[in-house]
Amino acid sequence: NAGVTQTPKFRVLKTGQSMTLLCAQDMNHEYMYWYRQDPGMGLRLIHYSVGEGTTAKGEVPDGYNVSRLKKQNFLLGLESAAPSQTSVYFCAIGNHRDRKGYTFGSGTRLTVV
Amino acid sequence: AQSVAQPEDQVNVAEGNPLTVKCTYSVSGNPYLFWYVQYPNRGLQFLLKYITGDNLVKGSYGFEAEFNKSQTSFHLKKPSALVSDSALYFCAVSGFKSGNTPLVFGKGTRLSVIA
Repeated sequence: NAGVTQTPKFRVLKTGQSMTLLCAQDMNHEYMYWYRQDPGMGLRLIHYSVGEGTTAKGEVPDGYNVSRLKKQNFLLGLESAAPSQTSVYFCAIGNHRDRKGYTFGSGTRLTVV
Repeated sequence: AQSVAQPEDQVNVAEGNPLTVKCTYSVSGNPYLFWYVQYPNRGLQFLLKYITGDNLVKGSYGFEAEFNKSQTSFHLKKPSALVSDSALYFCAVSGFKSGNTPLVFGKGTRLSVIA
């Protein structure tokens, strides 16, 4: 997905470990989002940002922290991973007023054991 | 609050037959409505968007969607399904009055087109 890069693509963590997921964009967009995708649950918003230095909570923010120190990067942190955080994480950029809405990254598949 | 319902977890259709994937929404005021498609191990891709104007919106890959304000629906349609259309489809909504509120996505409908 051009313009939005997520790293890593896969990761296995042990319960209690920490990690940071990186979303990088080259489209100079103000708005960035972190969603998680779980079977039967669809996409649920974790946190989002409407500009450099800003963050806001979404539907399921507990257990996650985020930072937007630079406009092009949006970091999602798990301080102490739990098995319930096993999921596929998607970063997106854009606004619903944009012609095509959001542009999504290709996802990070995280397994917590 | 805005919300989206996709009442079918799975839709099966034979290749060449018409397909419909259902979506209903709830939002304050007029809506922005989207359909996205997700192929295996990929991110979501934009299919089409409704803002205002014609109730029938045409999008990518021959898909179209019909906006019905009275029924608060935005069903995705295609006249003749292809096996390659098999994927996970998401409806999403935001409102004209919602400011910066992010899109709300439905739970997704898995479309299976059988040869």
